[in-house]
Amino acid sequence: EVLLAESGGNLVQPGGSLRLSCAASGSTFGAWWMFWVRQAPGKGLEWVANINPDGSRTNYVDSVRGRFTISRDNAKNSLYLQMDNLRAEDTAVYYCVRISNHWFDSWGRGTLVTVSS
Amino acid sequence: EIVLTQSPATLSLSPGERATLSCRASQSVSNYLGWYQHKPGQAPRLLIYDASNRATGIPARFSGSGSGTDFTLTISSLEPEDFAVYYCQQRSNYWTFGQGSKVEVK
Repeated sequence: EVLLAESGGNLVQPGGSLRLSCAASGSTFGAWWMFWVRQAPGKGLEWVANINPDGSRTNYVDSVRGRFTISRDNAKNSLYLQMDNLRAEDTAVYYCVRISNHWFDSWGRGTLVTVSS
Repeated sequence: EIVLTQSPATLSLSPGERATLSCRASQSVSNYLGWYQHKPGQAPRLLIYDASNRATGIPARFSGSGSGTDFTLTISSLEPEDFAVYYCQQRSNYWTFGQGSKVEVK
C-alpha cells in the first residue's frame, strides 16, 4: 500500500511564500510520476503541477506557472511544492498524488494553505 | 483546456436506489475518463479508469460507460457509505476534473 502524507500548510499573507512537503512510503518512489492537486473552498479538484520520476520534467497549470516549483528528492522519498508570490485564489487544500497506469491512484489526506491578510 | 461538465450538481436518493451521474467533455477525450469518490476529510479514491474499468477493490455496484464526450457513472444500489461527492477526470490533454456531483441522503 502506498501512503502519502502532506505537511507544510499554513496561513500566509498575499505575496508570501510557503513550501509544502509530501512524504511517501514504499521503496519505488523513484519510479513514480507525482502530482500536486488542489481543492479551493467550495470548489472542485484542480491539477496544479507534476514531475517525472527523475525530476527532469515538470508541468504546471497556467495559473501557477512562474510562481510555483515542484521538485523531488528520491533518496528521501519526498515531493515538494515551493509556492511564491501567493494569492488569495491559491487558498486550497493541496493533495500529493501518485499516478499509476496514467490514473491518480494514491492520494494523501491533504494540507490546507490559506492566503489572507 | 478540456472542460468537463457534470450533472446533476446534487442527487438526493435513498439507500438501495440507483444513482446515475453524467459527465460531458467539451471535446472528445476518447476513453481517457476516470471517476473518483471524495468524502469530507478523506483522500479521494479512484473508482473507474478508462471510462469503464473498475479500479482495484471497487465493488461491482459501481460501473462506468461512455466514450468521446459523454460518460456515465452508475451506482446500481446505493449503500450508506456511497453518499459522497463524485468527480470525473480526463487525461486526454493534461488533466482536468469536473466540478463534482454530490450524492446525498434523501
